[in-house]
Amino acid sequence: AQRVTQPEKLLSVFKGAPVELKCNYSYSGSPELFWYVQYSRQRLQLLLRHISRESIKGFTADLNKGETSFHLKKPFAQEEDSAMYYCALSGSRNYGGSQGNLIFGKGTKLSVKP
Amino acid sequence: EAGVTQSPTHLIKTRGQQATLRCSPISGHTSVYWYQQALGLGLQFLLWYDEGEERNRGNFPPRFSGRQFPNYSSELNVNALELEDSALYLCASSRGARIVDGYTFGSGTRLTVV
Repeated sequence: AQRVTQPEKLLSVFKGAPVELKCNYSYSGSPELFWYVQYSRQRLQLLLRHISRESIKGFTADLNKGETSFHLKKPFAQEEDSAMYYCALSGSRNYGGSQGNLIFGKGTKLSVKP
Repeated sequence: EAGVTQSPTHLIKTRGQQATLRCSPISGHTSVYWYQQALGLGLQFLLWYDEGEERNRGNFPPRFSGRQFPNYSSELNVNALELEDSALYLCASSRGARIVDGYTFGSGTRLTVV
């Protein structure tokens, strides 16, 4: 079964400290993984995709197929990074290519203290 | 470019009634996805429509149903409402069924069942 696990409900760090939001997945095919972010009173928005290997707002995430992980990292946290973060997996196996609906983890609330 | 729009913003219904939620995707997007976001449960996948067809369905009872219209807008219907159906219902859209670019989410409809 396809599953996304975010083991931490809440992660609290001080400004300037490194951040790592954990995401583990269960999927037998080639996964496509995403991180979404929801700032206070805003809609859920795409942060980054593993396929593009991009860095957005200083965040990066590397797909580790051996450990089935896609952890989100930032070397120096900022107060404006405080938000809810969701890891998501494409359930593309049954639909071929990059099609299919996303399976989301339950989210991790990041709190960055001054 | 207008984003994904959902209506109504809030909806209050009595147990046993029916609720209808609406979603208009971004222009040019043909896939629409529905998610339920209940407190503490993260985003639970409900339904996926593409080109007017239901492509996939999450683990929800048949009283959750929907459809997609020729203009790609979509409707989610929840029959025989139960108290536990109270949640934020999110709609998202993507360009075709190709989600490698990720989804774009609406702001949601807050359904309260009393």
